[in-house]
Amino acid sequence: QQQVKQSPQSLIVQKGGISIINCAYENTAFDYFPWYQQFPGKGPALLIAIRPDVSEKKEGRFTISFNKSAKQFSLHIMDSQPGDSATYFCAARGNYGGATNKLIFGTGTLLAVQP
Amino acid sequence: DTEVTQTPKHLVMGMTNKKSLKCEQHMGHRAMYWYKQKAKKPPELMFVYSYEKLSINESVPSRFSPECPNSSLLNLHLHALQPEDSALYLCASSQPARIRPHEQFFGPGTRLTVL
Repeated sequence: QQQVKQSPQSLIVQKGGISIINCAYENTAFDYFPWYQQFPGKGPALLIAIRPDVSEKKEGRFTISFNKSAKQFSLHIMDSQPGDSATYFCAARGNYGGATNKLIFGTGTLLAVQP
Repeated sequence: DTEVTQTPKHLVMGMTNKKSLKCEQHMGHRAMYWYKQKAKKPPELMFVYSYEKLSINESVPSRFSPECPNSSLLNLHLHALQPEDSALYLCASSQPARIRPHEQFFGPGTRLTVL
């Protein structure tokens, strides 16, 4: 119930292509879904986030698609660039009676964009 | 300013040493977090402070001792660590649970090596 499943584990995309990373969850109490980008040796950087009452959110080349009925959400990176090569984590915020902002992370996707 | 700073960047310590990790944020956030991240794994929550009070301890061994001296600072005191404690230690901050937005911002981390 507290898991967020992420796929694929790794992804290779050509420059200019579309990168798609998928996540699925079970707990319908999750109420906030961020995506983080992490470069080697650095901390995760918040990329984009969505709430379950919205089906899509776009910021620049990054789009989150959210399917509440299927309990799935995905990150689309349009026009992928070599600089996008990083590990991407999806996450979900657990609503523990409003007590805290505990994030449940997916297992991560290592994206390599080939020039 | 969405910056969380952490010192030191790197730390090497023996199993009998005592050291401390420091974290600072000036975003007015009243929730702060310590995470541990092993290579190729997602961040793993250790502690959560909300309004300078410890609200979550994820069954972390007592050789890790957190401290929140004020709303901007978070420390992690280390004593008698084991080699398996070597990891990237991440600090994060956010608004407390009942206050939006829920965005959680991470620092760059401290790379800890225990010999």
